[in-house]
Amino acid sequence: GENVEQHPSTLSVQEGDSAVIKCTYSDSASNYFPWYKQELGKRPQLIIDIRSNVGEKKDQRIAVTLNKTAKHFSLHITETQPEDSAVYFCAAIPISSGSARQLTFGSGTQLTVLP
Amino acid sequence: NAGVTQTPKFRVLKTGQSMTLLCAQDMNHEYMYWYRQDPGMGLRLIHYSVGEGTTAKGEVPDGYNVSRLKKQNFLLGLESAAPSQTSVYFCASTPFRGQGYGETQYFGPGTRLLVL
Repeated sequence: GENVEQHPSTLSVQEGDSAVIKCTYSDSASNYFPWYKQELGKRPQLIIDIRSNVGEKKDQRIAVTLNKTAKHFSLHITETQPEDSAVYFCAAIPISSGSARQLTFGSGTQLTVLP
Repeated sequence: NAGVTQTPKFRVLKTGQSMTLLCAQDMNHEYMYWYRQDPGMGLRLIHYSVGEGTTAKGEVPDGYNVSRLKKQNFLLGLESAAPSQTSVYFCASTPFRGQGYGETQYFGPGTRLLVL
């Protein structure tokens, strides 16, 4: 099955700096890669996603890049703000999950933006 | 729309007790999922359903059962709770219609379960 590894597990940045979180996946046939943000005590919420036929996607201060050859994808947050502090999860849907479209999650990154 | 809701929000059980967690969605979504979230381990899939009347096992199904008698509801049951089942449980749904469409999973607010 799919295995998703996420690094780093914790990340602290100064307000205004950029943050980068990286994930690697094992199933070369995976074709959908979402990123979720989870604030303390809240539910995970989708912030951005990318499909395997796209190399990069951007939404305001957030961007995701995908390298299919190396089987890794990254989340980039620019001009970080205190409200960006949360746990971020990457995930992948392998083609092998078929019609079930099961997500395999990384273990999460606790991002802290220091004022 | 209320989206995805979960009942109860918090529960304390003694070892060996049973309980049912309810997930409801009012978005007419076909697919529903149950996850558990433990510190440092992300979210792991317990069971899922691709439509009314169907269920299937996920990554960590042992000790849990599920039912999807109505399209809008997905129930997660613990027949004999164990301390290892202490966790936060999330339900999710997706309107998936085919690859490239409707794959976003929408999560409920979670149920915190403590088994003593």
